[in-house]
Amino acid sequence: DTAVSQTPKYLVTQMGNDKSIKCEQNLGHDTMYWYKQDSKKFLKIMFSYNNKELIINETVPNRFSPKSPDKAHLNLHINSLELGDSAVYFCASSQGHLSNQPQHFGDGTRLSIL
Amino acid sequence: DQQVKQNSPSLSVQEGRISILNCDYTNSMFDYFLWYKKYPAEGPTFLISISSIKDKNEDGRFTVFLNKSAKHLSLHIVPSQPGDSAVYFCADVYSGGGADGLTFGKGTHLIIQP
Repeated sequence: DTAVSQTPKYLVTQMGNDKSIKCEQNLGHDTMYWYKQDSKKFLKIMFSYNNKELIINETVPNRFSPKSPDKAHLNLHINSLELGDSAVYFCASSQGHLSNQPQHFGDGTRLSIL
Repeated sequence: DQQVKQNSPSLSVQEGRISILNCDYTNSMFDYFLWYKKYPAEGPTFLISISSIKDKNEDGRFTVFLNKSAKHLSLHIVPSQPGDSAVYFCADVYSGGGADGLTFGKGTHLIIQP
């Protein structure tokens, strides 16, 4: 049973399109996250979402918007895709918003912009 | 501005010997430090963590050491096994603000040779 699952695993699309990546966790966690791993391999936090409280990393463009229909899901919508959005996006979850709770990651979605 | 630095992109160690992975950080506000392990095409997997009030934490073959004065932590794996070959990320957390996500280093690719 996959604990944190993301779909799709690969996403290839053209500049200017709007796309979504879905994330679901079956761990009963109440906090979910989105990370971006760029071409330099750095993993950077984009959002965290806990009990309907969204905390946004200030460097994230507003073309990116997380949507949480319920506690087990946090989807990532991206509008007007740009070449620089090409990266691997990881969803993660943890129990609580405490720093000592390890985060569980999905396997990533590789987004390629043509 | 890298707050978390892993200066060795790769490390090769013979099976059975000790693997030592290093990490330096600049933000003295970090209060938890974690190590994650990542296989290709998979998400990072939590390995071990340490609170900033401790200087050592041990879990089986894995031990993490924290030197706060030097802002340095290290992960020791002994004895090293073939399955330990992976990319290891050091991750630090400051629970007092921001997106409360993890700040990752760039990773060290550990290769265990038979």
